[in-house]
Amino acid sequence: GAGVSQSPSNKVTEKGKDVELRCDPISGHTALYWYRQSLGQGLEFLIYFQGNSAPDKSGLPSDRFSAERTGGSVSTLTIQRTQQEDSAVYLCASSSLQGATIYGYTFGSGTRLTVV
Amino acid sequence: GQQLNQSPQSMFIQEGEDVSMNCTSSSIFNTWLWYKQDPGEGPVLLIALYKAGELTSNGRLTAQFGITRKDSFLNISASIPSDVGIYFCAGGVTNAGKSTFGDGTTLTVKP
Repeated sequence: GAGVSQSPSNKVTEKGKDVELRCDPISGHTALYWYRQSLGQGLEFLIYFQGNSAPDKSGLPSDRFSAERTGGSVSTLTIQRTQQEDSAVYLCASSSLQGATIYGYTFGSGTRLTVV
Repeated sequence: GQQLNQSPQSMFIQEGEDVSMNCTSSSIFNTWLWYKQDPGEGPVLLIALYKAGELTSNGRLTAQFGITRKDSFLNISASIPSDVGIYFCAGGVTNAGKSTFGDGTTLTVKP
């Protein structure tokens, strides 16, 4: 597609339930990133996929968070046993191999997660 | 790890005023990027800087890559209501794959 697509755009879930957030990057972009943004706050890095390399998971806040990227394209971020502090906007971005630091990321519009 | 200090954290200005924000780091970066995030959207790239000392303009926006490669600033001239949003700086290191983001400057423009 023309841009980075994220679904759903909004998700309300009950505390303790699992959620899956999906990201469709720009076709051909080998790098994919997940960030979390709490209300009015900055971008908290979660995880980074680059081609076939092992992902950089250094930003995942706990073992309840995991992500995978199938076939080098679509990515799913899974949060198990959601807690109220998980409520935030989850942003996905993609870039070409060299593009991250040269041309920047292309971000999706995000998934707003609300845990009640 | 690398960290960026972005300031100010927020700004409340009158329409027509000029705005200046900056980012500083203890680390050297090869590129500096400035993004703007509109409410309810993801950040969008505004300006990219690739060379120490470089000054680049994009309409009413002007950004500079500091000569030490450890800082950058963004100026917005003659602000308008649609300039409202969160502005993020990001520093990049060639082949690092992942940029380092500042915490953002929230801009409010009063008509």
